[in-house]
Amino acid sequence: DAGVIQSPRHEVTEMGQEVTLRCKPISGHNSLFWYRQTMMRGLELLIYFNNNVPIDDSGMPEDRFSAKMPNASFSTLKIQPSEPRDSAVYFCASSLRLSGSNEQFFGPGTRLTVL
Amino acid sequence: QQPVQSPQAVILREGEDAVINCSSSKALYSVHWYRQKHGEAPVFLMILLKGGEQKGHEKISASFNEKKQQSSLYLTASQLSYSGTYFCGTEIANQGGKLIFGQGTELSVKP
Repeated sequence: DAGVIQSPRHEVTEMGQEVTLRCKPISGHNSLFWYRQTMMRGLELLIYFNNNVPIDDSGMPEDRFSAKMPNASFSTLKIQPSEPRDSAVYFCASSLRLSGSNEQFFGPGTRLTVL
Repeated sequence: QQPVQSPQAVILREGEDAVINCSSSKALYSVHWYRQKHGEAPVFLMILLKGGEQKGHEKISASFNEKKQQSSLYLTASQLSYSGTYFCGTEIANQGGKLIFGQGTELSVKP
């Protein structure tokens, strides 16, 4: 059974360029989360969706960041324009929200480097 | 709002025990524990629900003190494979499953 799939696994880009990160959640899961991890700030929640609807985007750093979930099997996180301080590992996670259960399964992450 | 984990780091010899603590200032619905090895994604260990029982997974168990909004992760007879960074994730009721993670506790198990 495939887990959460993220692409690309590594991305190196120059400041000012647009970056799009992709995520395919586990089939049947109804919640999707985007996290950013850095040494300085740890594991931060950026935005999450329930049933494809954005619920809380208070963690999105600024307007340069946007996320979409057009259907239950696909989500994107876009940074435009990118800046060096956006360099981090970006994780996507999904879960099946049932009463009392909210185990999150993480994808392998995308390591983003902005030069 | 971010939960506080302690200690920040711990070094063990194989076979020793360790306790990692997670404390929140908010009333919690649940506490999740994850382990992350270097260069990999976090992996779910267990969830503690409000009003639920203490959980266990092999030689790793956890408890949740609802009155103090604290959770503890117990690792007994540690193995080399236990090395990694442990994160607690706290969930507040009626927030759609949103987790806020602590800063992590780095655990190193030496032979």
